[in-house]
Amino acid sequence: GDSVTQMEGPVTLSEEAFLTINCTYTATGYPSLFWYVQYPGEGLQLLLKATKADDKGSNKGFEATYRKETTSFHLEKGSVQVSDSAVYFCALGPYSSASKIIFGSGTRLSIRP
Amino acid sequence: EAGVAQSPRYKIIEKRQSVAFWCNPISGHATLYWYQQILGQGPKLLIQFQNNGVVDDSQLPKDRFSAERLKGVDSTLKIQPAKLEDSAVYLCASSLGASPNTEAFFGQGTRLTVV
Repeated sequence: GDSVTQMEGPVTLSEEAFLTINCTYTATGYPSLFWYVQYPGEGLQLLLKATKADDKGSNKGFEATYRKETTSFHLEKGSVQVSDSAVYFCALGPYSSASKIIFGSGTRLSIRP
Repeated sequence: EAGVAQSPRYKIIEKRQSVAFWCNPISGHATLYWYQQILGQGPKLLIQFQNNGVVDDSQLPKDRFSAERLKGVDSTLKIQPAKLEDSAVYLCASSLGASPNTEAFFGQGTRLTVV
């Protein structure tokens, strides 16, 4: 079945460092891919998305490119801030009326001032 | 635009008791999801509604969990009887429809602690 695998955390970086959080997926169809973020004490928020191969999603300085050949959707940011500390979830779907959004296990990111 | 509303925010119950959660999706959203998020894990889908019909409930423990979506709008999720392993955050989400380009909007969740 469909699944999402993302790098385990926690990830701790210094402010202004470069960030990569790896995400790979397995899917029987052609899903949309998402990154959701969960700030402390808050609900899940959509960070960015890509709906087809080679699409690049971007928001708040974060980027991710839908790579069909490597079944990946890695999250990157050139210079992280303390306010980026959160848990990040990679997700796929839905791509039909009967399919669901499937989440990875999440990666906790902590940024040191 | 109002977001997805969930209540209560927190609930503590003893094992074998029953509990119910309520969700009010964004107006006009046909698809409603209930997810269970255990600490340290990603959200796991329990049930998906399209209007007031069930699309997917394959991971819902039907011996103790039930859910309904009245008139295709509000939804309730019930656990009876609760077990210790049901301690989790229960997230409700809604979207215009279950198709590509459709963003799901999440509520803040209900944190359930079973003691």
